Amino acid sequence: GAGVSQSPSNKVTEKGKDVELRCDPISGHTALYWYRQSLGQGLEFLIYFQGNSAPDKSGLPSDRFSAERTGGSVSTLTIQRTQQEDSAVYLCASSLVSESQGGSPLHFGNGTRLTVT
Amino acid sequence: QKEVEQDPGPLSVPEGAIVSLNCTYSNSAFQYFMWYRQYSRKGPELLMYTYSSGNKEDGRFTAQVDKSSKYISLFIRDSQPSDSATYLCAMAGYSSASKIIFGSGTRLSIRP
Repeated sequence: GAGVSQSPSNKVTEKGKDVELRCDPISGHTALYWYRQSLGQGLEFLIYFQGNSAPDKSGLPSDRFSAERTGGSVSTLTIQRTQQEDSAVYLCASSLVSESQGGSPLHFGNGTRLTVT
Repeated sequence: QKEVEQDPGPLSVPEGAIVSLNCTYSNSAFQYFMWYRQYSRKGPELLMYTYSSGNKEDGRFTAQVDKSSKYISLFIRDSQPSDSATYLCAMAGYSSASKIIFGSGTRLSIRP
């Protein structure tokens, strides 16, 4: 498909278990972002990738959260020892960022709805 | 104080009305300003994208940026029930590695 693809679309897990969320960005997009959106809230920035490196991971809430990107394409967000407060929609976005222009608009997937019981 | 402030609403208007959505911000380094629309259980989709101050029009939508007042607006003319959604403002500084900061979103409902 032409858009950003996220899987799974829904995930229910027990407290204390690890989860892995996947994002397939638009082909050719060099920048990839992870955001978290809690019920009725705005988007909370988690981490940003430019290629395979993460210049800004300042939004990761704790050391239980990690993310990686391989081949300048697919990214995975891993949450270890999940807690109930981790329940949220995790959104991935990609953008085509050129060095001559900042702030390229983001194209979002439909998110993974995570529920920790 | 948040970097970007947006009234969460909800805002309810009759069909055909002009809608005005607004955000204020505190970081004078922001240069790029965006509006996203988010339907329930979907990811945000880009509506408008502007650079620096001024107006931009696209069909029924007009985005305005006033950098001197650190205030941006989105106007929707001839509003339709299909415009019912959450609208998020977003902004970024001048850098290819800039973090894009989002407002909390305004829930809009258009009554038929």
